[in-house]
Amino acid sequence: NAGVTQTPKFQVLKTGQSMTLQCAQDMNHEYMSWYRQDPGMGLRLIHYSVGAGITDQGEVPNGYNVSRSTTEDFPLRLLSAAPSQTSVYFCASRPSGYTEAFFGQGTRLTVV
Amino acid sequence: DAKTTQPTSMDCAEGRAANLPCNHSTISGNEYVYWYRQIHSQGPQYIIHGLKNNETNEMASLIITEDRKSSTLILPHATLRDTAVYYCIVRSANTGTASKLTFGTGTRLQVTL
Repeated sequence: NAGVTQTPKFQVLKTGQSMTLQCAQDMNHEYMSWYRQDPGMGLRLIHYSVGAGITDQGEVPNGYNVSRSTTEDFPLRLLSAAPSQTSVYFCASRPSGYTEAFFGQGTRLTVV
Repeated sequence: DAKTTQPTSMDCAEGRAANLPCNHSTISGNEYVYWYRQIHSQGPQYIIHGLKNNETNEMASLIITEDRKSSTLILPHATLRDTAVYYCIVRSANTGTASKLTFGTGTRLQVTL
C-alpha cells in the first residue's frame, strides 16, 4: 500500500522555468490538497480538490495551477518559477467525511 | 474556520506524560478539533480528532473542555521519537471547504532523557 506518493523528492529550477510536481494516491480518496511549507512556518494551502474534475483555490494559489482528471492524480504546475516559490511542497489526500488526511513525504523545491 | 493558539515550544522528560494545550475560543458548534504532528521534515501525521467528547486511541488522548473553547492533547508516556511539531487544527464542516486543514505554527515538543 503506497499511500500518497510525491515525485520528485528534490528539484532545483532556474527562475522562469516551469515544472509539474506529481502527486498520486492509491486509496481512492475523494479529497486531495497541495500545501507549501516555508522554513519555520506551518503549512499553507495552495489548491485543493473535492473530486475528479473539481478544483478550488486555497490560501496561496498565485503562480500555481492544478487539475484533477482522475481520482488518483493531482499534479501541481508551476507556470514560471520564482525564488519566492522555494519551499517544501506536501500533497495530502483523505476520503470524504471527518477522517484523517494522509500526507506525502514532500518535494523540496529550490528556485535559483 | 476558527483560529487556534498554541505555545511555541514545550519540553517533556522521556517516560512522562506530555500535555499540549490548544486554545480555540471561536470554535463553532459543527467544527471538529484535529491534531497532527510533523517529525523533522516529514509529511504531517494524523494523531486524533474529536467534536465534544474526550477521545483516546493508541497514540494519544484528546481532552476537550465542556465549552469547547480549548483542548489538550496528551501523550501518556512520551519517548524521544515523539519529538516533533504538534499542530492543533479546527476544521470547517462546510462541504466546499471540508478538505481544508488550516495549519498554524504549532508547538515544538522536545522530549529529553
